[in-house]
Amino acid sequence: DIQMTQSPSSLSASVGDRVTITCRASQSISRYLNWYQQKPGKAPKFLIYAASSLQSGVPSRFSGSGSGTDFSLTISSLQPEDFATYHCQQSYSTPYTFGQGTKLDIK
Amino acid sequence: QVTLKESGPVLVKPTETLTLTCTVSGFSLYNAKMGVSWIRQPPGKALEWLAHIFSNDEKSYSTSLKSRLTISKDTSKSQVVLTMTNMDPVDTATYYCARILWFNWNQFDYWGQGTLVTVSS
Repeated sequence: DIQMTQSPSSLSASVGDRVTITCRASQSISRYLNWYQQKPGKAPKFLIYAASSLQSGVPSRFSGSGSGTDFSLTISSLQPEDFATYHCQQSYSTPYTFGQGTKLDIK
Repeated sequence: QVTLKESGPVLVKPTETLTLTCTVSGFSLYNAKMGVSWIRQPPGKALEWLAHIFSNDEKSYSTSLKSRLTISKDTSKSQVVLTMTNMDPVDTATYYCARILWFNWNQFDYWGQGTLVTVSS
């Protein structure tokens, strides 16, 4: 199975900050990397696919990059509604696997 | 409008079999480019993919849970069913179904609201 490792596990930031979350795969997954946002008590929301393509309706302050084994999610200017947990997920091969999540909270 | 909704018991006893149903609308299980996955999340923990099924009945399972899982579909009812045998308290989690886009990037673009299943005697 492909292991996905996110860092950091938690992050404190302020509204307006630029933040970056990283995700590393245990083997190359090309660009088969997706990102999801999850708020407490809610289902994950799909944000980014193919490492860098924004799902329709996702604000442009979100961006993704990377290929192979190293990926990142950047939020250019944090808004109050962005404080949540972010999950990366590889869809290169089954079993599909997720990172452990990064909790982003208000400083 | 695409929706998925999970249904099933909220409480099961250890050793029992769990049966969950995902009812979808806004897309068809006949669609060759789409399928349904089950994913779970224990309280305070990470997401874990369990299984998926596609229109051609292609199925795939979690490596660690394969012996306990069965996924099936009733296309005419727009339902996907997941059974998990020999339930244990560590299987306590919120169980989600999600649409997966095949021949794309296999992303989970729509999710159900989830259903919390507690395993306890």
